[in-house]
Amino acid sequence: NAGVTQTPKFRVLKTGQSMTLLCAQDMNHEYMYWYRQDPGMGLRLIHYSVGEGTTAKGEVPDGYNVSRLKKQNFLLGLESAAPSQTSVYFCASSEKRGSSYNEQFFGPGTRLTVL
Amino acid sequence: KNQVEQSPQSLIILEGKNCTLQCNYTVSPFSNLRWYKQDTGRGPVSLTIMTFSENTKSNGRYTATLDADTKQSSLHITASQLSDSASYICVVRVQTGANNLFFGTGTRLTVIP
Repeated sequence: NAGVTQTPKFRVLKTGQSMTLLCAQDMNHEYMYWYRQDPGMGLRLIHYSVGEGTTAKGEVPDGYNVSRLKKQNFLLGLESAAPSQTSVYFCASSEKRGSSYNEQFFGPGTRLTVL
Repeated sequence: KNQVEQSPQSLIILEGKNCTLQCNYTVSPFSNLRWYKQDTGRGPVSLTIMTFSENTKSNGRYTATLDADTKQSSLHITASQLSDSASYICVVRVQTGANNLFFGTGTRLTVIP
């Protein structure tokens, strides 16, 4: 099992450019999440999905869009990148959001720099 | 306001020594608390989960405690190893709400030989 994988690992964008981050999981998890991690701050939830075809906003959704066309994939899009979106992005998945004990499994992260 | 605060922010210890990391939270209604280990350049990995009724739980050299009355948790690392160098993140789950996970900012532990 590869667990949760993220593509790409690093990316540099210019302001205004667009890109898509791909997250894939092979654990058949229902729920998937996108977080960003900035220095001195805890992980913050951007968007999440409770199943194929469904998405919902998290704590900091502005400037991002997501899609969950297949159960195993969760895409995070930046339509017009801004320097404030420079961050490390983590994808995670879990079996069932409704169960309090289910662990979230994290991917290795994508380091994005917006110039 | 729901908050999770960790201390210290960073810590340097000698290999073989013990250390204790602290997590204080104000989130409510409490469901459970997890400690994650995050190696540099990697995603967080769960070390242990503490529920309301649990006071102490061990995972190898890691021992977590929870005092639900004072809303404090600690992670004690015994006989530290170089591989323990990482960030340790405290995450508290509340019982309700769409965004029901609250993340601490982490403690950066460096173990030196």
